[in-house]
Amino acid sequence: VELVESGGGLVQPGGSLRLSCAASGFTFSSFGMNWVRQAPGKGLEWLSYIGSRSSTISYGDSVKGRFTISRDNARNSLYLQMNSLRAEDTAVYYCATLASDDYWGQGTLVTVSS
Amino acid sequence: SYELTQPPSVSVSPGQTARITCSGDALPKKYAFWYQQKSGQAPVLVIYEDTKRPSGIPGRFSGSSSGTMATLTITGAHVEDEADYYCFSGGSSGWVFGGGTKLTVL
Repeated sequence: VELVESGGGLVQPGGSLRLSCAASGFTFSSFGMNWVRQAPGKGLEWLSYIGSRSSTISYGDSVKGRFTISRDNARNSLYLQMNSLRAEDTAVYYCATLASDDYWGQGTLVTVSS
Repeated sequence: SYELTQPPSVSVSPGQTARITCSGDALPKKYAFWYQQKSGQAPVLVIYEDTKRPSGIPGRFSGSSSGTMATLTITGAHVEDEADYYCFSGGSSGWVFGGGTKLTVL
């Protein structure tokens, strides 16, 4: 089982980034998926959930209206489109199942700074 | 917004029992999950659905829930159990992690 995030990097405040999460080794299309982040030295923050067929989507208050979660089951991939980025969005971003079958990626660092 | 409250830190000596609590108004209706995170690593699930232990997690880890409080218990803590622990559960419109508890075993 592997989840591999990509797409992180340095972006200016107000900018956008699209994170990807490539899944392998399990039946991706059967699992709801989540994005979780962790700011430097801080705790875990749940950001967003998408159901296995994309019919259910939810967001945390801090990213609602700015971030969009999506998935492509044919490509075994999860995405997070992040717009209007702020300094406080600086964090390591993880994709994860957050279920009894618990799979996490290694994280990708997003730094929002001018 | 919904919150889960954990103590910032818990300290025990090796072999003692560590208990980490998680308080939240929706816990009577929503399951609690517990994650262990060691420095520089991704979190690992140690308890799901209040009381269930994933395969590969040592038997010294157990969970319980009563009313608005869930509890992670480590019976006979080992030095290698030193880590940050987070509870995770759902609210009315999404999910939330607790603020985390730093467990020190020394």
